[in-house]
Order: sequence, then structure tokens, then C-alpha cells
Amino acid sequence: AQKVTQAQTEISVVEKEDVTLDCVYETRDTTYYLFWYKQPPSGELVFLIRRNSFDEQNEISGRYSWNFQKSTSSFNFTITASQVVDSAVYFCALSERGFNKFYFGSGTKLNVKP
Amino acid sequence: EPEVTQTPSHQVTQMGQEVILRCVPISNHLYFYWYRQILGQKVEFLVSFYNNEISEKSEIFDDQFSVERPDGSNFTLKIRSTKLEDSAMYFCASSLLSGALNNEQFFGPGTRLTVL
Repeated sequence: AQKVTQAQTEISVVEKEDVTLDCVYETRDTTYYLFWYKQPPSGELVFLIRRNSFDEQNEISGRYSWNFQKSTSSFNFTITASQVVDSAVYFCALSERGFNKFYFGSGTKLNVKP
Repeated sequence: EPEVTQTPSHQVTQMGQEVILRCVPISNHLYFYWYRQILGQKVEFLVSFYNNEISEKSEIFDDQFSVERPDGSNFTLKIRSTKLEDSAMYFCASSLLSGALNNEQFFGPGTRLTVL
């Protein structure tokens, strides 16, 4: 069973549109961490955010915002007023208590067109 | 800001050859990891390393793979006899701690391995 599911394989939007990337996770642990990474065409993984399971407050960082809902096991990522530079593959990841590895989702490729 | 570095950025090798991918983790980190990403697919865990031994490995990490921390700063991944399907981006990561306390992993820029 997938621990992290990103159902959207690819999304295309026009610049300045808002876009939400979905992430659903599965864990039996009460303590865990969730992450979002951006992978631009150059290939590196760029850390965006970490959230622990005890902090359900939504977070906003500039045009980026994250909505963490334990009730639905979701950790969705919204980009407001998207820009061409946001074009990348975005990965959601889960790390569980006592384990020292990440489970990555399959990624969502975001295409932002001018 | 400290960062994880990896060399080379791109390695091309012939099938059956041995390759060693090198990583320099952040200096005070204690846990080290290798992940693999086949082109167009998700990032997959290979192995974690702590206190000079493997702490966990995935089913991908078979006898063809080995890891080592030869000198206290480098962390290497060796593939003994490469196969075509080993072609992928390999990411090294390190973290200060593990478990629930503070297990943020810092990723290196990756080494793209191409097996011909």
C-alpha cells in the first residue's frame, strides 16, 4: 500500500492562476512528519516545508500555503498566482517516528504556461 | 549555510562496471541516507547508515550495493556490477538526529548515473 499518494500526475495552469497539489498519506503512527519538495528540471530536491503531526496550523510562505488536515490525512499545497518559475515536479513525503527514511509520493508535475 | 555535496554530478559507465558515488554530508550530522530516482519516477529509499553500520535498507539494496564511510567525512555508495536498470539519479541525504525529534533530512544535488 502506498504511504503517500499524489493522485495528480500532471497539472497545467496559466500564469497567475492558483493551483492546489494534493497529498494524502497513510500512517499508524501518532508522531510523524510531512514534507514537500520541489524538483526543478535541473533535478535537485528543494526543501519547501516540514510539518509535524502535532501542528495542524496552516502555513503561508509568500505565494505558497499548506493545508494540513489530520482528519482526512491530507497535506495539500497551494500556489497562489502561479509563475512560470513554479514549473517543476513537486513531491510530498512522509517520515514516521522511529524510522529514518522518507516515503515519497509519486510526484505531481506542474506546468505553468505564460 | 551547510549543505550536502555529491560528486560526480553525472557518471556514465558501461554495464558490468563498478561505480562509486560520493557524498559529503553536513559535518555534524549523524545519519546518512541514499535514495534513488529512476527517470520520471518517485524517489525511493535505498539505505540508511548510522554509527558505521547500516540501520535500514530497502529491497532494492541488494548484494550489488554497499555503503561506506571511509574517512569520517565522505559517505559512499558502491554498485559492484552495474546493470542498465541502475541508471537513475542517486540522492544522498543526512540528518542530525532520527526518529521523532528532528529528523529533517538535507538532500544533496544528486548524481545522475547512466549505465550503457
